[in-house]
Amino acid sequence: EVQLVESGGGLVQPGRSLRLACTASGFNFGDYAVSWVRQAPGKGLEWVGFIRTKTYGGAPEHAASVEGRFLISRDDSNSIAYLQMDSLKTEDTAVYYCYRELNGAGDYWGQGTLVTVSS
Amino acid sequence: EIVLTQSPATLSLSPGEGATLSCRASHSVNSYLSWYQQKPGQAPRLLIYAASNRATGIPARFSGSGSGTDFTLTISSLEPEDFAVYYCQQRDYRGTFGPGTKVDIK
Repeated sequence: EVQLVESGGGLVQPGRSLRLACTASGFNFGDYAVSWVRQAPGKGLEWVGFIRTKTYGGAPEHAASVEGRFLISRDDSNSIAYLQMDSLKTEDTAVYYCYRELNGAGDYWGQGTLVTVSS
Repeated sequence: EIVLTQSPATLSLSPGEGATLSCRASHSVNSYLSWYQQKPGQAPRLLIYAASNRATGIPARFSGSGSGTDFTLTISSLEPEDFAVYYCQQRDYRGTFGPGTKVDIK
């Protein structure tokens, strides 16, 4: 069974850092790109970024709104994708989801992890 | 950045009726357009990928069409479980989501 599980969320002060993990199982993780998406309370979905497979160079891309503060990476040997978030702002408060990308779409999603940025 | 606009914002319908949801892109996204359904407290669920392909396990009452900048999600006959928020997403250049269309019960 394909599963993705996000972890690492919690309460953090503005300006601090947090690293989220997306742990996958049930499929060959290295064969798939992984994306991160967030959803602020009561709001819509926002694409945060994605990371390519090693076959396609393994490079990440990030949304302009988080470029320079967030960094996506992957550890294929442990089937984990990471979202490193630095210089956090109150507007980064959201549920963060990861998904497996197939044909340019997210066919399997995690359940999400809540990040609250507040003093 | 490619901006996606969805219309209408809200669609009030009764079970059994058909629904037509629109998604328009500010620039061509070719066919890199997907549709998702989201219910409260749940992760989004993929319905349609590459504009017109149903994802695994998605009922045939859901269909997608369009290319370039104009796309449509059609639900032929609404079931009670279809009342939810629907988002379109492009992955032609980076990624963006539309603001969503809420389909609620009339």
